[in-house]
Amino acid sequence: DTEVTQTPKHLVMGMTNKKSLKCEQHMGHRAMYWYKQKAKKPPELMFVYSYEKLSINESVPSRFSPECPNSSLLNLHLHALQPEDSALYLCASSQGLANTEAFFGQGTRLTVV
Amino acid sequence: GENVEQHPSTLSVQEGDSAVIKCTYSDSASNYFPWYKQELGKGPQLIIDIRSNVGEKKDQRIAVTLNKTAKHFSLHITETQPEDSAVYFCAASDSWGKLQFGAGTQVVVTP
Repeated sequence: DTEVTQTPKHLVMGMTNKKSLKCEQHMGHRAMYWYKQKAKKPPELMFVYSYEKLSINESVPSRFSPECPNSSLLNLHLHALQPEDSALYLCASSQGLANTEAFFGQGTRLTVV
Repeated sequence: GENVEQHPSTLSVQEGDSAVIKCTYSDSASNYFPWYKQELGKGPQLIIDIRSNVGEKKDQRIAVTLNKTAKHFSLHITETQPEDSAVYFCAASDSWGKLQFGAGTQVVVTP
């Protein structure tokens, strides 16, 4: 099973809303990632968790807040987003941090209105 | 940091022909190079990868070659089929383990 599950698949939120994106994997992977992907562009790394601890934050604005409650779950909390934050948000996981296969979820299509 | 360039940006091929996508990278410390296929409305799917101690790897109709000296790697798809139509991304893993993606290649296979 190489499945990474993301919920919800689609989300529309207002600029004053608070919402959360969820990601789950049961492959025993110890590294989990959040990526942002705009239309016709490659994924851009946002955050990396290793052994449930935040190891990389790619200078992401504080209106995005990641959380790793346990080794299988990864959340992304959203607050006071801007319309330009509309994008496909992808979660990925891998066995370790370096030089290992990373598997992506289907993504959450986020629209900020 | 790592910089990955990918060409071409679009590629149209006749069904049954071969497709080749080329990437170059800048960080000589990079040693892991995956390729992803992304269909419309879906997340990227890992289709093949290669590590720096190997020059070539093949999996059925897909092959990847790596030239560490020249810092470039390529994806080869033979006997293309309509279901091969998608966006393909190359990537390189830098010394921190972060994946740096190329800009992507839109492949269209026409019957």
